[in-house]
Amino acid sequence: GAGVSQSPRYKVAKRGQDVALRCDPISGHVSLFWYQQALGQGPEFLTYFQNEAQLDKSGLPSDRFFAERPEGSVSTLKIQRTQQEDSAVYLCASSLGGLTEAFFGQGTRLTVV
Amino acid sequence: EDQVTQSPEALRLQEGESSSLNCSYTVSGLRGLFWYRQDPGKGPEFLFTLYSAGEEKEKERLKATLTKKESFLHITAPKPEDSATYLCAVQAPDTGFQKLVFGTGTRLLVSP
Repeated sequence: GAGVSQSPRYKVAKRGQDVALRCDPISGHVSLFWYQQALGQGPEFLTYFQNEAQLDKSGLPSDRFFAERPEGSVSTLKIQRTQQEDSAVYLCASSLGGLTEAFFGQGTRLTVV
Repeated sequence: EDQVTQSPEALRLQEGESSSLNCSYTVSGLRGLFWYRQDPGKGPEFLFTLYSAGEEKEKERLKATLTKKESFLHITAPKPEDSATYLCAVQAPDTGFQKLVFGTGTRLLVSP
């Protein structure tokens, strides 16, 4: 595709529900990143994949957060038993390698009510 | 401990009024400093990467510079379409090799 595609764009979840956020990176991009952006703040790192390998998950806030990229392309960020503090925009980015010119998607805005 | 601090938080300029945005950082062993532009409701858009003190990069009305402690994003004769939030981020060994640490951004508004 022309850019990084994220779906859904908006998600409203009741507290306690599980959600799954999808990221379609640019074709051929090896590196994939997930970030969380609270209102009025800069993005905060969640996790990093190189192909299908999750090399860094140090930013995941709790064990309710889980990310996968089984075939080295599409990635899914799953949040179990959502809490109000999980409300944020979840951004996905991809690059040919590492952090050089990473391209971000438009994000998924998650609201937990 | 703040590693990336951006100032000012918000800046309002008249069209054509040049100014600079500041990004100061406290990480050691900087591997790269990144500037992004973010429009409301969109993801960050890559602008520049700077790797060493003294390096400068330009793109249209934007020029980014880097010293050992801070980076500046100079905006020359801005236009209303330059209105956006400008984010600075660093990559360093003590933050994780593949992790960007972002500042909170500077919200720029350029009035006609």
